[in-house]
Parts: sequence; structure tokens; C-alpha cells
Amino acid sequence: KAGVTQTPRYLIKTRGQQVTLSCSPISGHRSVSWYQQTPGQGLQFLFEYFSETQRNKGNFPGRFSGRQFSNSRSEMNVSTLELGDSALYLCASSSGDYWGTSYNEQFFGPGTRLTVL
Amino acid sequence: AQSVAQPEDQVNVAEGNPLTVKCTYSVSGNPYLFWYVQYPNRGLQFLLKYITGDNLVKGSYGFEAEFNKSQTSFHLKKPSALVSDSALYFCAVSASSSNTGKLIFGQGTTLQVKP
Repeated sequence: KAGVTQTPRYLIKTRGQQVTLSCSPISGHRSVSWYQQTPGQGLQFLFEYFSETQRNKGNFPGRFSGRQFSNSRSEMNVSTLELGDSALYLCASSSGDYWGTSYNEQFFGPGTRLTVL
Repeated sequence: AQSVAQPEDQVNVAEGNPLTVKCTYSVSGNPYLFWYVQYPNRGLQFLLKYITGDNLVKGSYGFEAEFNKSQTSFHLKKPSALVSDSALYFCAVSASSSNTGKLIFGQGTTLQVKP
């Protein structure tokens, strides 16, 4: 079974631009979560989608948004980029139904390294 | 509010010796606890989890973890460390009441195994 894939692997943008990151979950997984990893803040939860619905959201400004498609693929978008948005963005998928995914392990992609200049 | 603490930024151990990476947690309700490992320039790999039942959980690559409810701890252990175990280890928690894929991670512990 193919793992979680993320594209692109590396991105360089300038302040004020916007960016879209893509994630393809493991086949059959309907839950997709996004995390931001930085040296200072560690791993922080951005949001989670299940069957095209956002079920949970972390404490990030509205510039961070996401969506999920009917095939469970997910995208996240960051508008008006700031220097502090430079990070490794990780996508993870997990199995389970709508009423229970918190006990399932998440499978992570390799991440997208975003650099904002 | 949920939180996870990994009190050691780095753990150093000699190859062949036992290793322990510490984790304590705070969560409302029953915790679901996870350990992940991250190698340089890679995503996170799942090692093991505690949901319920036996307090000693066995996982991948010879790792195990002990759940201690009274001490709210979930320490990662391995009887004999390998140089290839050197990596960044994360403890994470989700709440049974959460019902969603939101994981709260600790700050991570760098494990250095020396030959």
C-alpha cells in the first residue's frame, strides 16, 4: 500500500505571496490532519478533515486554510505569507469512521519544506 | 487542556545499553498515547500506542512503552540500543473525548546512541 504523499517537497516563496500544499492519504483513509513543525514551536496541529468536513482546528490565524476532496486528498493554503510561516508542513492520514479516529495511529508523509524569504 | 512534556531535550546512551525516553501527559478523560520517531528530513514514523489494557505496550523495532496512570507517564524503552536508533522521538496524546485526529505532541527528545 502506498504511503502518504505530499507535493511539492520544497517551496521557496516571498513574503506576501500565497502557497498551496497537497497531500494524498493512504488509500481508504478518510481522516487527514495537517501539522506545522518549527524548531521553536515544535509540532503544532493545524486542522483535521474527515470526509470533506473540517472537524477540528488548531490555533492558527485565518490565513491558514484547508480543504478535502471527495477522494480524501487534501490541500492546505497559506495566504499573505510571513517569514514566520517558514516550516516543515506535515500531512497525516488515519483510518476509522466518523465517530472514532482519535485512537488510531496517524501515518505521516515526508512533509513540504516551506521557506519564506 | 491537553499537554505533553518530554523533560529531556537529549538522551545519550552507549550502544547495547538500555534506553529510556521520558514522557508525561495531561488530558481530560482517558488518554490515547503514541510514540513517533523522526529521522532527518523525513516525516514521522509510528512506533507504538496505548489505548487501553496492558500497561506495557510493545511496538516496532524492539521498542516498548510503559503506561503509568498514577504518574501520568508513558516512557519509551528499549532493552539494547542500536546506533541506528539515533533520531528525534516524539510523544503524543489525543483524548478519548476528542474523537478527531488531533494529536498534541511533546517537544521531542533527541536520542544519541554512541558506538
